[in-house]
Amino acid sequence: DAGVIQSPRHEVTEMGQEVTLRCKPISGHNSLFWYRQTMMRGLELLIYFNNNVPIDDSGMPEDRFSAKMPNASFSTLKIQPSEPRDSAVYFCASSLAGQPQHFGDGTRLSIL
Amino acid sequence: DAKTTQPNSMESNEEEPVHLPCNHSTISGTDYIHWYRQLPSQGPEYVIHGLTSNVNNRMASLAIAEDRKSSTLILHRATLRDAAVYYCILRDERVGGSQGNLIFGKGTKLSVKP
Repeated sequence: DAGVIQSPRHEVTEMGQEVTLRCKPISGHNSLFWYRQTMMRGLELLIYFNNNVPIDDSGMPEDRFSAKMPNASFSTLKIQPSEPRDSAVYFCASSLAGQPQHFGDGTRLSIL
Repeated sequence: DAKTTQPNSMESNEEEPVHLPCNHSTISGTDYIHWYRQLPSQGPEYVIHGLTSNVNNRMASLAIAEDRKSSTLILHRATLRDAAVYYCILRDERVGGSQGNLIFGKGTKLSVKP
């Protein structure tokens, strides 16, 4: 049973560059969540989708961040332009209505 | 969302039971108590959840106080693989099932000694 798949697992890039993180949710799940984890702030919800529609993006730090879910099996989180303070582990999770969330293994992002 | 309070860290010996406490004195009637854990270098993993009654599954047991202002996650026999950060989270199920946010606190870091 394939879980939530995130790519890349690691990304190192220079500040100012565009970064795109990808997520494939578990097949059949209708909700998708993007989280960010840092030592200082812990795990924070950035945005979540229900049936491919963004429901709450109040956690998105600023306009440099954007997320899309063009279909039920794919989502992207984009940072443009990236800054060193965006360095973190980014997690994607998916769930079925009323069920627990399943998390991917995360993307470790380093902005130099 | 109602807040939870957990100890920063706990230690256990392998093969012994572990009781991880969580206080949630401002819990509302529609808040479910969820527990997740995060092993090193992995994403969080669902452990168990409940509303009022004690719950058991293959991973753990959840004991909920009668007034619901506290709960305890019980690992019956700790193994080295159980070393992780354990998060106690309240989720208002009225928000819409899977749409309900999970708000993670700092959790309890559990160390298991061989």
